[in-house]
Amino acid sequence: EAGVVQSPRYKIIEKKQPVAFWCNPISGHNTLYWYLQNLGQGPELLIRYENEEAVDDSQLPKDRFSAERLKGVDSTLKIQPAELGDSAVYLCASSSPRGNHNEQFFGPGTRLTVL
Amino acid sequence: GNSVTQMEGPVTLSEEAFLTINCTYTATGYPSLFWYVQYPGEGLQLLLKATKADDKGSNKGFEATYRKETTSFHLEKGSVQVSDSAVYFCALSEVNRDDKIIFGKGTRLHILP
Repeated sequence: EAGVVQSPRYKIIEKKQPVAFWCNPISGHNTLYWYLQNLGQGPELLIRYENEEAVDDSQLPKDRFSAERLKGVDSTLKIQPAELGDSAVYLCASSSPRGNHNEQFFGPGTRLTVL
Repeated sequence: GNSVTQMEGPVTLSEEAFLTINCTYTATGYPSLFWYVQYPGEGLQLLLKATKADDKGSNKGFEATYRKETTSFHLEKGSVQVSDSAVYFCALSEVNRDDKIIFGKGTRLHILP
C-alpha cells in the first residue's frame, strides 16, 4: 500500500513569493492533516479535514495561508506571500476511521526555505 | 493547556547500550500517549502507544508504560542498534478535542557502532 505522498520534497523561494504544497493521502483515508514542523520542534497542527470539510483550522494563519481539499482526496496548502519565518517542514498526514484510534500516517514532508 | 515535555538531545549511545528517553505530560482528563519515530528523510511513524493508565506499549524492542501517578511515558530499549538512530517524538491526544495530537520537541538519538 502506498503511503502519504507529498510534493515537492524541497522548495526554495524568495520572500513575498507564493508557494504551494501538494498531498495525496493513503487511499480510503478520509481525514487529512497539515502540520508545520519548525527546526528542533515537534509538528504543530495547521488544519484538519474530514473529507472535503475543514473541521479544525484554528491554527492556520489565514492572512497568508490557505488550504483546500476539493474532492475529499488530494489537498494543497498555499502560502501567499511567503515570509522568512515560514521556512520549515510542512507535513501531511492522513487517518482512517476504520483504523486504530488516533493513528495518523505521515508523509515525508516538504522542506521550505524562504530567502 | 495540554503539553508534552521530553528530554533534549542529542542522545549518543554505543550499540547494545540501554536507552531511556524521558517524557512527561500535562493534560486534563485521560489522554492517549504515543511515541513517534522519524528516520532520516522519512515521515513520522507511530512506534507505540498506550491508551490508559498502566498500559504498556511495545514495538521493535521499544517499550513505554503509561504512568498516571507521575504523568510520564518514558521510552526504553534494552539494547539499541545503529538502525535506531532517528528522532523520537513523545505525543498525547487530547480527549474530547477531536483527537488532536500534541507533540513534544523531539529527541535526536545517535547510535555509534
